[in-house]
Amino acid sequence: KNEVEQSPQNLTAQEGEFITINCSYSVGISALHWLQQHPGGGIVSLFMLSSGKKKHGRLIATINIQEKHSSLHITASHPRDSAVYICGVGQFYFGTGTSLTVIP
Amino acid sequence: GAGVSQSPSNKVTEKGKDVELRCDPISGHTALYWYRQSLGQGLEFLIYFQGNSAPDKSGLPSDRFSAERTGGSVSTLTIQRTQQEDSAVYLCATAPQPNTEAFFGQGTRLTVV
Repeated sequence: KNEVEQSPQNLTAQEGEFITINCSYSVGISALHWLQQHPGGGIVSLFMLSSGKKKHGRLIATINIQEKHSSLHITASHPRDSAVYICGVGQFYFGTGTSLTVIP
Repeated sequence: GAGVSQSPSNKVTEKGKDVELRCDPISGHTALYWYRQSLGQGLEFLIYFQGNSAPDKSGLPSDRFSAERTGGSVSTLTIQRTQQEDSAVYLCATAPQPNTEAFFGQGTRLTVV
């Protein structure tokens, strides 16, 4: 069993749709990270959170420590959001990523 | 430079040869992490350096893998007697302190033939 599980593994959405990616973890955490990796590109940190909710533009991340669960939401999705989104617990445990494709 | 720099960007090596991968961190970042990303796999933690403390080597997959960080700055990941299963993208990330946002390099794509 992986310490970090993400769902779905793959997601295709129409431009403008609201998107949710889920992350469940089984290890204790100091912080949870959401990362973005574009095809052929590097990895960028989107959020680091240890409680509650954070918002950057159209992206929202939430975490429920008691349930060991986090979600990444994208509002009004756009083709440029197409990427792999990775959930990480601390800096040591990572999910296998969710591949998102947003179709115009 | 402004970001984390890794070199080389690509490396093709013959099975059994040793390779060295380099990471130049953002100036002042005390935390440095090495990861491996294999095709279709998630990020795999390899080793963690924090300041002058002993590194956390718990993620190294075998004794063929080792890493150094000189003067709290540049880090080198060495893979001895490379095997085909070592083929992957090796990523370095650094952070100002532990448990703060990390910045990733572009990675070194290693291919063992």
